Amino acid sequence: TQLLEQSPQFLSIQEGENLTVYCNSSSVFSSLQWYRQEPGEGPVLLVTVVTGGEVKKLKRLTFQFGDARKDSSLHITAAQPGDTGLYLCAGSGNTGKLIFGQGTTLQVKP
Amino acid sequence: DSGVTQTPKHLITATGQRVTLRCSPRSGDLSVYWYQQSLDQGLQFLIQYYNGEERAKGNILERFSAQQFPDLHSELNLSSLELGDSALYFCASSVALLGNTIYFGEGSWLTVV
Repeated sequence: TQLLEQSPQFLSIQEGENLTVYCNSSSVFSSLQWYRQEPGEGPVLLVTVVTGGEVKKLKRLTFQFGDARKDSSLHITAAQPGDTGLYLCAGSGNTGKLIFGQGTTLQVKP
Repeated sequence: DSGVTQTPKHLITATGQRVTLRCSPRSGDLSVYWYQQSLDQGLQFLIQYYNGEERAKGNILERFSAQQFPDLHSELNLSSLELGDSALYFCASSVALLGNTIYFGEGSWLTVV
């Protein structure tokens, strides 16, 4: 069974701080996606990484896929209150179905 | 707006009852997925349909069933409801069967009392 573990589960920081969220697995994934979910809404796709070692940037967000395609990280620079939400990583495995991590709840205080 | 439409948005029902959740995928998407999200279990994959056929099954209880119709909309049927079935149920869709970006609807909040 392919599992994804996210850490930390909860993160509360001040506006302007940097943070990193990790997504780890013992399994190889063909691709890995990061979603952001706000209360009462569905997850919204932020990025998809496909190639081992790939780095993608989305404004203040930097996503990296591990060389072995078993892990990923999301780094946010100078966090803002608008970044508050639940961040989910999801891996596309050998069965094709998307497997989600438990999520990281981020609170950015002004 | 992801283009995936789910109804109803909120539903309150009693234990033992049966409910049907409905999903219209994005235009052109052939795959439909159902997920359950609860506080203690996170986002759990239930089932996937592709062009009317069941293609993958996750942690779906026997009391739950789903189908995808010829017009590609899908329904998730939940029966003999228990308090623990209270959760947010998401439908998502994608163009193809494997390895694609999936787009989520806004979810259906089910509360079993």
